[in-house]
Amino acid sequence: GQSLEQPSEVTAVEGAIVQINCTYQTSGFYGLSWYQQHDGGAPTFLSYNALDGLEETGRFSSFLSRSDSYGYLLLQELQMKDSASYFCAARRTGRRALTFGSGTRLQVQP
Amino acid sequence: NAGVTQTPKFRILKIGQSMTLQCTQDMNHNYMYWYRQDPGMGLKLIYYSVGAGITDKGEVPNGYNVSRSTTEDFPLRLELAAPSQTSVYFCASAVSGDDQETQYFGPGTRLLVL
Repeated sequence: GQSLEQPSEVTAVEGAIVQINCTYQTSGFYGLSWYQQHDGGAPTFLSYNALDGLEETGRFSSFLSRSDSYGYLLLQELQMKDSASYFCAARRTGRRALTFGSGTRLQVQP
Repeated sequence: NAGVTQTPKFRILKIGQSMTLQCTQDMNHNYMYWYRQDPGMGLKLIYYSVGAGITDKGEVPNGYNVSRSTTEDFPLRLELAAPSQTSVYFCASAVSGDDQETQYFGPGTRLLVL
């Protein structure tokens, strides 16, 4: 089977840095994606890692360690608009579909 | 481009009724997906399609059917609605050849079965 574990909630203050972790158990693991979803909205793509290491996209970075079956999303210079749910999603080799984690709700406080 | 569009936005069904959730994309994407999202939870894959005429089951296909007669459209059919199908349904699409498997989501259909 497949499973992805994320913390259910994280709270941080404006301007700070927050890390959202994701551990996965996925046979035939190919890559890890991150999606953001605001309340009442649709998920939107943030970042993707297929290889070990850090991928940086503006204030957001994502990291993957395949040997540890672990990844994280790093959000810097937090803004109030970053309050949302963040999902990690695993892609498997040869399969054009993603398996999503249960999501981490990030609350940014003033 | 409108991207991925879904209709209706919201619907109330009685137990046993049937309905079709519509999904259309204008990005010429080969891959299309249907997910459901229960409150406070992640997305569960219902069905997906890698091209016109080709569909496959996801994690939670029971109670649903799909068809893919064109590249643009991927309707989801509920035959006998049950309260357990109360959820938000998202359609998504992705382009073939994209190694990242970036999925573009529609705005969702909120379904309440009473």
